Amino acid sequence: DVKVTQSSRYLVKRTGEKVFLECVQDMDHENMFWYRQDPGLGLRLIYFSYDVKMKEKGDIPEGYSVSREKKERFSLILESASTNQTSMYLCASSLGTGAGNSPLHFGNGTRLTVT
Amino acid sequence: AQSVTQLDSHVSVSEGTPVLLRCNYSSSYSPSLFWYVQHPNKGLQLLLKYTSAATLVKGINGFEAEFKKSETSFHLTKPSAHMSDAAEYFCVVSDAGSQGNLIFGKGTKLSVKP
Repeated sequence: DVKVTQSSRYLVKRTGEKVFLECVQDMDHENMFWYRQDPGLGLRLIYFSYDVKMKEKGDIPEGYSVSREKKERFSLILESASTNQTSMYLCASSLGTGAGNSPLHFGNGTRLTVT
Repeated sequence: AQSVTQLDSHVSVSEGTPVLLRCNYSSSYSPSLFWYVQHPNKGLQLLLKYTSAATLVKGINGFEAEFKKSETSFHLTKPSAHMSDAAEYFCVVSDAGSQGNLIFGKGTKLSVKP
């Protein structure tokens, strides 16, 4: 089974801090994704990556950046955390044959609170 | 442009009764469609997927969904609800062959009463 591991289950950070959310997958998947999940809004794509050192903006990239130095690891960075970034963050991966046919495998999420 | 609408934000059923979670989609191309389930404090898990093969798709835990092109629907059903089915369910649409271009519905929370 594919395992997607997010390094923290819960995080509490202060406004203005730089925050790193880490995600590792163990199935050699080409694609990796970061979503945020908010009540009533469903999942919204922040960034995704289809190869090492490659990244693409999703629907809501403002205030975030990403890093993919190794195939198995995809990091989400909040350059200067703000209270409106309090949310559940979900990492996912999939095979690189085209996301349309390849299902996403999700981590258990990181619940971030910015105070 | 693609979109997906889950018609109910909350569905409540009694244990042992049928489940129907409704999903309508809009896609310019031949879509791939998925249903995911999210149990409390967990990530999302794939229930089933449709990718232009059989229109009736069987998934895990007794769930199935039928792709109806004429109605642009992909409703999720289960003949008999179990308490463990209580979770949030997401309908997802993607253009076949696209990369990263998945659109999630806003979710339907399923409650199961004893």
